[in-house]
Formats: sequence, structure tokens, C-alpha cells
Amino acid sequence: GAGVSQSPRYKVAKRGQDVALRCDPISGHVSLFWYQQALGQGPEFLTYFQNEAQLDKSGLPSDRFFAERPEGSVSTLKIQRTQQEDSAVYLCASSLVAGGPADTQYFGPGTRLTVL
Amino acid sequence: AQSVTQPDIHITVSEGASLELRCNYSYGATPYLFWYVQSPGQGLQLLLKYFSGDTLVQGIKGFEAEFKRSQSSFNLRKPSVHWSDAAEYFCAVGGDDYKLSFGAGTTVTVRA
Repeated sequence: GAGVSQSPRYKVAKRGQDVALRCDPISGHVSLFWYQQALGQGPEFLTYFQNEAQLDKSGLPSDRFFAERPEGSVSTLKIQRTQQEDSAVYLCASSLVAGGPADTQYFGPGTRLTVL
Repeated sequence: AQSVTQPDIHITVSEGASLELRCNYSYGATPYLFWYVQSPGQGLQLLLKYFSGDTLVQGIKGFEAEFKRSQSSFNLRKPSVHWSDAAEYFCAVGGDDYKLSFGAGTTVTVRA
């Protein structure tokens, strides 16, 4: 079956521009996660959704970052007024049930954002 | 909070040789431990996971890992490496919620 998909795969933005990154989770998956992976680093947690509810946004680096999942499926991560330090790969993951450590997270290919 | 250290940034191994990747974690209780592999342009793929029970865990692609509580380690091994195993490998730890904490990764290069 189809896995997690993300679009665009690559995004180049000028500093100060707004960007929107899309994630299509595996159909029927309740939980959705966003991670940020800086160059040479492992992924770092940004935010977590259970269906349409954003239960945890503790990892969002600033109020310029905003995520939504209005119908409990597709999610969008928006970054306003992008800065060079926002350059990273943004990974989306989904899992079948309500988030717990035992539930496997399935990752998409990521969106590589470069801010010039 | 939990954390992971992967001491080796880069490992080069000959095809057919054995491979061991080190992972040390920090967590106060029994951790949930994972190994993921990331090939260029691909998402993270789960190789194996440990929750409880047998401390030697078998995964996909011929990989295994051993949980050693006394050493706070969860090292990944493969007896005979194939060229297709060249990738970046991430160890991750989960606690009592949904958050995963990842190490910085180990890049594996396979030479012919």
C-alpha cells in the first residue's frame, strides 16, 4: 500500500518568504508527527496530532511555525517569514493508533527546505 | 527526558564483512529502542525495535540488535554487509509517550 508522502520534495525560499509543506499520511492512521532534521543531525520532534487535534507543539522552534490537520488526514506545516536557520529536511511520520512508544512511526521521504 | 548518543559518525566496511553500530541511550526507566535506516532521498525505514522480553532482537535485512541494560546500549549488528547497506543509520529512544529522540546518525560506507 501507499506510504507517507510529502510535497514538495524540495523547496527553495528567499529569506522572509512564507512556505507550506504538505504531508499525506498512511490512510487510516490516527497519529501524525512532524520532525525537523538539520544537516548532519538526527530528526527532532516538532509537533504531534491525534486525528485533527494538535496535542503537542512543544518542539516548534518559534511562533513562525504553524501546523494543522483540519480533517484528521492531510497535514500542512507552515513557516512564516523564513530564516536561514530554518533550512533543514522536514519529515512527516504517521502511526496507526493514538501515539504511544510501542506504535511504529512510518516516515515520509521529507521536504528539503533551503532558505537563501 | 531521554537522549541517544551514536559515538561513530562514519564507518567504512568491506562488502561481506561484519558491521556493528553503537548506540547508547539515557532514560530513567525501561526504554523503547529503535533502529532506523535512511537511504539518500528516502524516508526513515524501521529496521527493528525493542520493547521488552528477549534482549536480542531480529530485524529486517538481516540486522539484529542487543539491548544491554547494564551498559545502556542497543548496538546494531549485521554478520555480512552488502553494498546496498550503505546508508545512514539512526538509533532512537522512546519513553512513556509518543516522542522519539534520535541520535545524530552513523553513515555507513561499503567498499567493494
